[in-house]
Amino acid sequence: AQSVTQLGSHVSVSEGALVLLRCNYSSSVPPYLFWYVQYPNQGLQLLLKYTTGATLVKGINGFEAEFKKSETSFHLTKPSAHMSDAAEYFCAVRGDDKIIFGKGTRLHILP
Amino acid sequence: GAGVSQSPSNKVTEKGKDVELRCDPISGHTALYWYRQSLGQGLEFLIYFQGNSAPDKSGLPSDRFSAERTGGSVSTLTIQRTQQEDSAVYLCASSLARGGNQPQHFGDGTRLSIL
Repeated sequence: AQSVTQLGSHVSVSEGALVLLRCNYSSSVPPYLFWYVQYPNQGLQLLLKYTTGATLVKGINGFEAEFKKSETSFHLTKPSAHMSDAAEYFCAVRGDDKIIFGKGTRLHILP
Repeated sequence: GAGVSQSPSNKVTEKGKDVELRCDPISGHTALYWYRQSLGQGLEFLIYFQGNSAPDKSGLPSDRFSAERTGGSVSTLTIQRTQQEDSAVYLCASSLARGGNQPQHFGDGTRLSIL
């Protein structure tokens, strides 16, 4: 069985500041991990995914995430926030069959 | 089309009516999923279709909910005798295969409002 915990339902950062969205998971088998972004009135769009190999994964829009097995974490970062990054972000894990989503973190960008 | 298509985009109906939501997945995608997204909640898994296999219905919240997938392509989610708590965004996703590393591609959802 798998589960996902996203710390913080809302995160606010200033434009140009570092973005850090936290995700911890549990899985009884080696996991596949995903981050999705959802803009208003749209579906979810894949940002990046970790399957095997390099633990630092680069995605679209300048985002990246690092898989840390010892910490069971897959935090999402971006060095410099942009106003267009304001959206809701979902972490997801897939171990056996289903993909399980976290409850989401809404990212607010302050001017 | 290139992406997952859902219709209608918005649906308003009275309590007690039946509704049908449609999902047209990406061509060639054998796996299809339905999720429900309520305000402030994550995605709640509803049902999963994979090829010709029996669907995984473990997420359906009650027997008022059902779904079918005809010809391995288009899927319809039906909610009978709607209740106000059914108000939510219903998202459909498809993926190439059942494999764990295949990401899901989402439609824009159907926003359902029960009066």
